[in-house]
Amino acid sequence: EIVLTQSPGTLSLSPGERATLSCRASQSVSSSYLAWYQQKPGQAPGLLIYGASSRATGIPDRFSGSGSGTDFTLTISRLEPEDFAVYYCQQYGSSPSFGPGTKVDIK
Amino acid sequence: QVQLQESGPGLVKPSETLSLTCTVSGASISSYYWSWIRQPPGKALEWIGYIYYSGSTNYNPSLKSRVTISVDTSKNQFSLKLSSVTAADTAVYYCARQRGATTALMDWGQGTLVTVSS
Repeated sequence: EIVLTQSPGTLSLSPGERATLSCRASQSVSSSYLAWYQQKPGQAPGLLIYGASSRATGIPDRFSGSGSGTDFTLTISRLEPEDFAVYYCQQYGSSPSFGPGTKVDIK
Repeated sequence: QVQLQESGPGLVKPSETLSLTCTVSGASISSYYWSWIRQPPGKALEWIGYIYYSGSTNYNPSLKSRVTISVDTSKNQFSLKLSSVTAADTAVYYCARQRGATTALMDWGQGTLVTVSS
């Protein structure tokens, strides 16, 4: 079973700032089967990034994903007001799992 | 546009079986993989399992002994059964669509809260 850890737990930033979120896996994630989701209060999660670095349909280019193996990063280049939310990484190999999430809140 | 809608009882007694259905519109259930995910209040997401229209399934090892996911192609629905529930199974349950067995969750239902309590 692959265990994902995310850091930091909470990231306090201002609109316009850059956000860097980390996701680390306990073992290598096959073929970059790594996704990022955004969840706002009271809503279902929505897919942002799949395959570690490919943006899902309709996702603005301020969101980017990178990494391979056991270390992955989600970067939001300039935070917009609607980007303050919780972000989860997920590995979707043979037995999928989610990380504990990073909350991005307004400083 | 694909829409997924969860339905089922919002309250289940301890030791009983939780049963939920996800109704799919805008896509054929015979073309994708279909998943269940849950989220206890204030906590992280947990993958429960998925099914292909053929009936092939894959379950979270930690829940495998209690979970059954099934599909009804005639109704374009798939279902979740979780047996012997306890308060720890209280959560928002989401259904979702994925293109293949090892692909991301591309569309989600709005979720339904299930509370386990006597």
